[in-house]
Formats: sequence, structure tokens, C-alpha cells
Amino acid sequence: GAVVSQHPSRVICKSGTSVKIECRSLDFQATTMFWYRQFPKQSLMLMATSNEGSKATYEQGVEKDKFLINHASLTLSTLTVTSAHPEDSSFYICSASPEVSQKLFFGSGTQLSVL
Amino acid sequence: GQQLNQSPQSMFIQEGEDVSMNCTSSSIFNTWLWYKQEPGEGPVLLIALYKAGELTSNGRLTAQFGITRKDSFLNISASIPSDVGIYFCAGGILTGGGNKLTFGTGTQLKVEL
Repeated sequence: GAVVSQHPSRVICKSGTSVKIECRSLDFQATTMFWYRQFPKQSLMLMATSNEGSKATYEQGVEKDKFLINHASLTLSTLTVTSAHPEDSSFYICSASPEVSQKLFFGSGTQLSVL
Repeated sequence: GQQLNQSPQSMFIQEGEDVSMNCTSSSIFNTWLWYKQEPGEGPVLLIALYKAGELTSNGRLTAQFGITRKDSFLNISASIPSDVGIYFCAGGILTGGGNKLTFGTGTQLKVEL
């Protein structure tokens, strides 16, 4: 299957700081990438759709000014959690799909802990 | 956000037994995908289904896309210890931005030796 790389795998930060998470498609190009959030023992919830060269589309209830998404190239999308607070602590996962495929492949996730 | 109903929530079975789990929705989906997730990792794609009624196998795994397009099941035959993990179904809707997935609530599988 296609490879999606996510970095960092784990980050601990102080409340009020910003954290950037990178998602890269390693062996294919992706005009669209998706960002999910997963709380402990829960399912994945879609946060936003990242579109190369245009603004991201956010799901209802997700603050676009808090979760900044940039999709600068066909292989890279970034999610920045601005002014992070303890309630933002979660597992963040990105996904992408090769152009001709409907299969979504996921990164290995980023565990964010805000102190 | 919407979630799909997935059952059972957890299963504790003996090695060698067959396992069955399913997902139901009130909405129609274009695709159904099944993933396995282990602690601290992202989901790994197991099987993808594209047509209503489609039955697809991947080794000991078999999944079907329901005729109504509102449900799907996953079977695992002759379970082994490494099958332990959380299994998620996901219904997909094709949009201009790609295959937008809605996830099930997950089935935690535990295998007893």
C-alpha cells in the first residue's frame, strides 16, 4: 500500500505554545489529505479536509483559527495547533489517498500532550 | 460528528476461533473500508469494498459490502494471537476532495491462547 509519513510521533508542550504536525505522502501525490483526532478509547473523528493550493474545509465544531492547516505541495500537509491547552491533548492522525484510488492510507499518528 | 454503529464493542475469543463483526449506518456509503489499529499507531487498511454486494478476501479476512449500502461485515477465520487489536469500519462518501470517511465505534479483539 501507499506510505503516509507523519512527524513528530509524540510531542509534549506547555500550555499556550503552538505545535506543528507534518503529514507527507512518500510515494504518491495527494491533492487532498484528511486530518483526524482520536481521544483515548474512542474512534477517529474527522477534523478537516486539507486541499492543495486552497483553503482547508473544517468539520462542524472544529475551530479553524485554532487548527491551522497548510497544504503547500502535493506531498505535504501541516496541522498547527495554536495556543495549545490541555484539552487539545489527543492523538492526531492524517490520511491521504493516491489520486486514482479510493483507499485512504493513514500516518502513524502524533500523540500531543499539553501540560 | 457522525459515527457508525459497530458491534460487538469487544470480543474475547480463543485462538483458532472465527470472528465476525459488523457495521450499520442510517446513511448510504459509496465505499466501505476496514482498518486495524494497534495502540499508539495509525489505522492500517485491511480491506476496501467498492460495490454493493461485493465480497472480498484478504488472507484470513473476508468482508462484504451490504446490498443496501448501509452496512458491512468483517470475518476473521482461525484467529491467532497477532489478530489482537481494535478493528474499525469506515464508510466512505466520494466528494470533490476525495473519499471522506466516517468511522465506526470500533471492535476490540482479544485472543486467548
